[in-house]
Amino acid sequence: EVQLLESGGGLVQPGGSLRLSCTGSGFTFSNYAMSWVRQAPGMGLEWVSGISDRGGTTNYADSVKGRFTLSRDNSKNTLSLQMNSLRADDTAMYYCATHYGGYVSYHLDSWGQGTLVTVSS
Amino acid sequence: HSVLTQPPSASGTPGQRVTISCSGSNSNIGSHTVNWYQQLPGTAPKLLMYTNNQRPSGVPDRFSGSKSGTSASLAISGLQSEDEADYYCATWDDSLNGPWVFGGGTKLTVL
Repeated sequence: EVQLLESGGGLVQPGGSLRLSCTGSGFTFSNYAMSWVRQAPGMGLEWVSGISDRGGTTNYADSVKGRFTLSRDNSKNTLSLQMNSLRADDTAMYYCATHYGGYVSYHLDSWGQGTLVTVSS
Repeated sequence: HSVLTQPPSASGTPGQRVTISCSGSNSNIGSHTVNWYQQLPGTAPKLLMYTNNQRPSGVPDRFSGSKSGTSASLAISGLQSEDEADYYCATWDDSLNGPWVFGGGTKLTVL
């Protein structure tokens, strides 16, 4: 059974940084592209960033480009999202998700339970 | 505002059939397949339908999907109380909106 466990969320001041992690188990982590999708309180889903299976290709939503950096360590089955220059509108539940195959162009498949990021002074 | 347009709400009584629409453009639905996600209250989204009309294992055949041109639909027949949830369509987008775009979500209420 695919399991994705997110961590690293919390309260941070505007302009601050936070690093989210997602650890996968129950599947061959290195065979699948991964993404982060966020959901602001009471709002819909927004894709944030994705990375291919070997980490060679990363994509970002315009809203986070230049501020967020996505990486993965396949030896540790871990996906990481470094978030800098955080703003109030980055406040959201952040979900880690697998894609159906090695490229971000495959549909999002399994999802973690999420980690909450709150940006506030 | 979302790139894909969904009605904010839908409703039906147990046993009824309801449909949820998702409207896009040539750069997204018009060129790529559509996926649907179900989000039960207080939980993470779950894949409900992929490649327009394919159900993952475990999803009842009461759920069906279709796509035509730049629009897609999710149909739920034999509505049950446990179907009450938020439903989101999603697809790849070739324009600057992308690459992945979601609809704004439809809250389904079972009356």
